[in-house]
Amino acid sequence: GESVGLHLPTLSVQEGDNSIINCAYSNSASDYFIWYKQESGKGPQFIIDIRSNMDKRQGQRVTVLLNKTVKHLSLQIAATQPGDSAVYFCAENLGGTSYGKLTFGQGTILTVHP
Amino acid sequence: DTEVTQTPKHLVMGMTNKKSLKCEQHMGHRAMYWYKQKAKKPPELMFVYSYEKLSINESVPSRFSPECPNSSLLNLHLHALQPEDSALYLCASSQGRTTNEKLFFGSGTQLSVL
Repeated sequence: GESVGLHLPTLSVQEGDNSIINCAYSNSASDYFIWYKQESGKGPQFIIDIRSNMDKRQGQRVTVLLNKTVKHLSLQIAATQPGDSAVYFCAENLGGTSYGKLTFGQGTILTVHP
Repeated sequence: DTEVTQTPKHLVMGMTNKKSLKCEQHMGHRAMYWYKQKAKKPPELMFVYSYEKLSINESVPSRFSPECPNSSLLNLHLHALQPEDSALYLCASSQGRTTNEKLFFGSGTQLSVL
């Protein structure tokens, strides 16, 4: 079946650097994407979402970019802080009759060094 | 209140036991979900409830039995589980208005089956 995947399973950065986490998706029918952050012992925490009719969306210190041509999603974190250390998952929703069916990518471990 | 509360946080059970996981939200959400997450893996959808009715069952074995007594509560009844069922069980909720919605997750129940 089709799935969401990530290019880099681990990413280490220095505090203050910008981080970029990538995600490749294979289902061209997906029309909604979400980035989640999961810290150890906690459930996934919503970071930012984007619909397929957009190519960029900004939040506080985070930006999500969507390239539908190459089916690629990225999460940019500005001025990365130690508290950003976590596993980051992208997730896609097919929409339509696939109500509530979020499919998660494999995750990227982000480690921020002070 | 923007929380999804899950109890218990940890559960150890034998293969002959019957136990229940509980989930509660007071955000007025009408869609609730159960996800299963194995260590170092992404969450995988198990069940979706929409307006207290089961709308998606991802071919989950019958030893897992979901129940949605009302719009704020979601239970997962466990019976005759296997050691491979050991995982983090995550509950989530969303508004239930459209197919493309962000899910709010609880912190999960870490289940160990002996």
